[in-house]
Amino acid sequence: EPEVTQTPSHQVTQMGQEVILRCVPISNHLYFYWYRQILGQKVEFLVSFYNNEISEKSEIFDDQFSVERPDGSNFTLKIRSTKLEDSAMYFCASGRDRGPGTEAFFGQGTRLTVV
Amino acid sequence: AQTVTQSQPEMSVQEAETVTLSCTYDTSENNYYLFWYKQPPSRQMILVIRQEAYKQQNATENRFSVNFQKAAKSFSLKISDSQLGDTAMYFCAFMASTSYGKLTFGQGTILTVHP
Repeated sequence: EPEVTQTPSHQVTQMGQEVILRCVPISNHLYFYWYRQILGQKVEFLVSFYNNEISEKSEIFDDQFSVERPDGSNFTLKIRSTKLEDSAMYFCASGRDRGPGTEAFFGQGTRLTVV
Repeated sequence: AQTVTQSQPEMSVQEAETVTLSCTYDTSENNYYLFWYKQPPSRQMILVIRQEAYKQQNATENRFSVNFQKAAKSFSLKISDSQLGDTAMYFCAFMASTSYGKLTFGQGTILTVHP
């Protein structure tokens, strides 16, 4: 069964460094999302992406963050100049369409630790 | 803005018994969808069940059913004949019809099924 895959499963980075989290969505899906979950807190929406542009973003998704679909298969989240508070589990998701109630398929997450 | 609240951080149940997980939400939207996602340990979130707010009939998927009380803004998940494989974190989530693909999550409930 097709799955969303995320790499790496765990990344440790030093404060101030840039990090790129990678995701391979399900191949025929057209809509892509990033969520994050800080330890002990809710899963929060960051951004949605369609047709090579951002469809919607949350207040969390500021200039420090960017997303890209560089090659038609990968979907990446870049965090510039990481801060301690960026430590979280980051989930990628994809959807076949964007109709109301459409199911999102999630990856297993990347745990980012900023030290 | 929407909020989703799961007031039970942890629940446990004996194998073959029935358990109900609670979820309440707050929204000013008229049309929306509600979801229960399951996240087994170290695995990705998968959709368990989905409810369309304009449908009065409660959704059912095999052993999983919901009790959707629109006026009370309540959306509980009932798991019948619990199995060891049901052990997981369960997330309740909300999606407005006008916000395609964006999910608002509750805090999650850790369910443990005991043999």
